[in-house]
Amino acid sequence: GENVEQHPSTLSVQEGDSAVIKCTYSDSASNYFPWYKQELGKGPQLIIDIRSNVGEKKDQRIAVTLNKTAKHFSLHITETQPEDSAVYFCAASKGGSGGGADGLTFGKGTHLIIQP
Amino acid sequence: DVKVTQSSRYLVKRTGEKVFLECVQDMDHENMFWYRQDPGLGLRLIYFSYDVKMKEKGDIPEGYSVSREKKERFSLILESASTNQTSMYLCASSLSASGTYEQYFGPGTRLTVT
Repeated sequence: GENVEQHPSTLSVQEGDSAVIKCTYSDSASNYFPWYKQELGKGPQLIIDIRSNVGEKKDQRIAVTLNKTAKHFSLHITETQPEDSAVYFCAASKGGSGGGADGLTFGKGTHLIIQP
Repeated sequence: DVKVTQSSRYLVKRTGEKVFLECVQDMDHENMFWYRQDPGLGLRLIYFSYDVKMKEKGDIPEGYSVSREKKERFSLILESASTNQTSMYLCASSLSASGTYEQYFGPGTRLTVT
């Protein structure tokens, strides 16, 4: 099955600086790569995702890059703010190819701490 | 807005009890999922369902079963709860339409088995 590795487990950055979280996956059939943000006491919420036919996607201060050859993808957050403090998870799936649903395989998470 | 609700935020059960965790979504999603979340392990898929009465095993189905009698409701069942099933349980749902893969999560149920 799929295996997703995520680094680092904890990341502390100064407010206003950039943060980068990296993930690798093992199954070359995976074609959907979402990133989720989880705040204390809440369920994960999707912040950005990328499909395997795209190399990069940006949404305001958040961007995701995908290298299919190397099987890795990264989350970039620029101009970090205190409200960015949370746990971030990367995930991979086959995106329901074949007509059915497909569960997500998650990384172990990164605790992002924004220092004022 | 999509809403996924879970029947309890916190639950305490005794070893050997049968436990039901309920999840309801209000957006007519075909797919529903159960994950458990443990510190340092991330989220792991227990079971999922892509239609009423259909179910598929995820990565860690042992000790669990599921039921989906109605499209909006997906239940996770612990037949005989054990202490190693103490965890945060998260339900999610998604559409089946091609190209729409986003999963929407509920707030979670923190289950403690003593």
